[in-house]
Amino acid sequence: GQQLNQSPQSMFIQEGEDVSMNCTSSSIFNTWLWYKQDPGEGPVLLIALYKAGELTSNGRLTAQFGITRKDSFLNISASIPSDVGIYFCAGDKTSYDKVIFGPGTSLSVIP
Amino acid sequence: NAGVTQTPKFRILKIGQSMTLQCAQDMNHNYMYWYRQDPGMGLKLIYYSVGAGITDKGEVPNGYNVSRSTTEDFPLRLELAAPSQTSVYFCASSSNIGEQYFGPGTRLTVT
Repeated sequence: GQQLNQSPQSMFIQEGEDVSMNCTSSSIFNTWLWYKQDPGEGPVLLIALYKAGELTSNGRLTAQFGITRKDSFLNISASIPSDVGIYFCAGDKTSYDKVIFGPGTSLSVIP
Repeated sequence: NAGVTQTPKFRILKIGQSMTLQCAQDMNHNYMYWYRQDPGMGLKLIYYSVGAGITDKGEVPNGYNVSRSTTEDFPLRLELAAPSQTSVYFCASSSNIGEQYFGPGTRLTVT
């Protein structure tokens, strides 16, 4: 079936560093979404992207919808301890059962 | 708004027992979803609903059943629980297919 790949799988960074992660697919998506999951909680939507090339920010987070529509990128600037968690990308082909979630990138921030 | 609520938070079942996981949303969303998340993995869609009275299978429906008699509620039924159903179950809702709001999850262990 369709799959999303996320890289890196995990990362350990120092507080204050910038973070970059990405999500790729062999399929084209109409919408890209980024979620964050804190330990023991459900995922929370961070950013939604609707157009190829779109760049959207939410505070220290910036995400981009790749031009090919097969990838998306998430950057976090000046990381802080509460950024710790798992970041999931999701692609939506605008069909009810076609919201596909990636396996996640686990972020650890060292104070 | 309470958002998406799930009960119970934790449950231990013996093999062969049955149970219903409850999910309710107060955002008047038409779309509702059930996912399972195995340790260290992403989310897999079990069932979804596009409105009261309408449900359909997702990626991993075997061993589960759902019903949607109202807009607010979307219970998930496990019949004849098996160890392979040990997982964390998340319910989600959306008014827009991609932008899903998740509940806090139900942690189920089958022994």
